[in-house]
Amino acid sequence: DAGVTQSPTHLIKTRGQQVTLRCSPKSGHDTVSWYQQALGQGPQFIFQYYEEEERQRGNFPDRFSGHQFPNYSSELNVNALLLGDSALYLCASIPGGPFGTGELFFGEGSRLTVL
Amino acid sequence: DQQVKQNSPSLSVQEGRISILNCDYTNSMFDYFLWYKKYPAEGPTFLISISSIKDKNEDGRFTVFLNKSAKHLSLHIVPSQPGDSAVYFCAGTEDEKLTFGTGTRLTIIP
Repeated sequence: DAGVTQSPTHLIKTRGQQVTLRCSPKSGHDTVSWYQQALGQGPQFIFQYYEEEERQRGNFPDRFSGHQFPNYSSELNVNALLLGDSALYLCASIPGGPFGTGELFFGEGSRLTVL
Repeated sequence: DQQVKQNSPSLSVQEGRISILNCDYTNSMFDYFLWYKKYPAEGPTFLISISSIKDKNEDGRFTVFLNKSAKHLSLHIVPSQPGDSAVYFCAGTEDEKLTFGTGTRLTIIP
């Protein structure tokens, strides 16, 4: 049973460019959340997708957008990249049904470097 | 506004002894508290959680204690093993959204 998979694992962009990160949730999970982890910090919630709609959003600008597909996979898009967007982007999935112990299952992340 | 704080950036413990990691929070709406462990180049891995209505949860070598009046939780690892060396994040959850602390790097000394 594959866990949460993310691609690409590493990428380098320049300021002003756009980036798309991809996530496939764990089998049986229908909710996907995205987190940004800057160096030396804990992960910060970006947004959550359920039934192909953004259900919750953290304190991130509109340059950050996302999408969820019918197979529950998800994309994170960041436009007009800034140096401060350099971070590890983590995708987490949640199983369907009641939110039991609060556990999220994380992928290994996509390391974005903006030059 | 930092809702979850881990005031110790690092901790070193002798192998076989007890490791105690601490976490403070300000948001009374958290319904669960969780501990995650993170190795370099990997995503965070769930370790243990506790409901906000409990004061203790134990799973093998790991025990989490919650003191709601003090808005404080701690993770005890007994006995500590070299494989426990990692960064540990505590987090509170509200509406399936996790709010993380900044992490504590635990080093187990053989």
